[in-house]
Amino acid sequence: AQRVTQPEKLLSVFKGAPVELKCNYSYSGSPELFWYVQYSRQRLQLLLRHISRESIKGFTADLNKGETSFHLKKPFAQEEDSAMYYCALSGGSNYKLTFGKGTLLTVNP
Amino acid sequence: DAGITQSPRHKVTETGTPVTLRCHQTENHRYMYWYRQDPGHGLRLIHYSYGVKDTDKGEVSDGYSVSRSKTEDFLLTLESATSSQTSVYFCATEGQDSYEQYFGPGTRLTVT
Repeated sequence: AQRVTQPEKLLSVFKGAPVELKCNYSYSGSPELFWYVQYSRQRLQLLLRHISRESIKGFTADLNKGETSFHLKKPFAQEEDSAMYYCALSGGSNYKLTFGKGTLLTVNP
Repeated sequence: DAGITQSPRHKVTETGTPVTLRCHQTENHRYMYWYRQDPGHGLRLIHYSYGVKDTDKGEVSDGYSVSRSKTEDFLLTLESATSSQTSVYFCATEGQDSYEQYFGPGTRLTVT
């Protein structure tokens, strides 16, 4: 069975501080991993995908297969980064996504 | 928005009444998904479709049924709504490839 764990429900940082949102996964094969972001009362948007290795809005995420982690990082948080962040894994048939429970990030001025 | 719309966007209904939510896409995607979003649970898959008239259950399918009679529409039906089905419902389709998903704007359903 595949599982995604986001250990922090809430994360609060000050503007300009580094931020790291943790994600650990459990899957027997080679997973496709994603970070989705949801700004207040909006639809979910794809933020990052591990195979793209891009930096989006200053965020990066590295897949660590040894630690089965896919943590999201940003060196200098901005107030507009305040949102709900979901880590997700696609590893089963029919491309179904398994989501973590989400981390609500608040960036204080 | 990848051409995904949901209707209605908000609905209040009474316990025991049937409710149908509609997801419409314009990109001719094969895969479509219904999720519910609840605090403390994240998003959970209800049902999904991999083609016209091809559907399957997700993680939390009890109390829900779906239908897909044409590529662009995926309907979610609550046969007899219960208060535990109060939630925000999101539809999704595949994205740039089948692993990515694009989401609709959501439907906020309240069952009183």
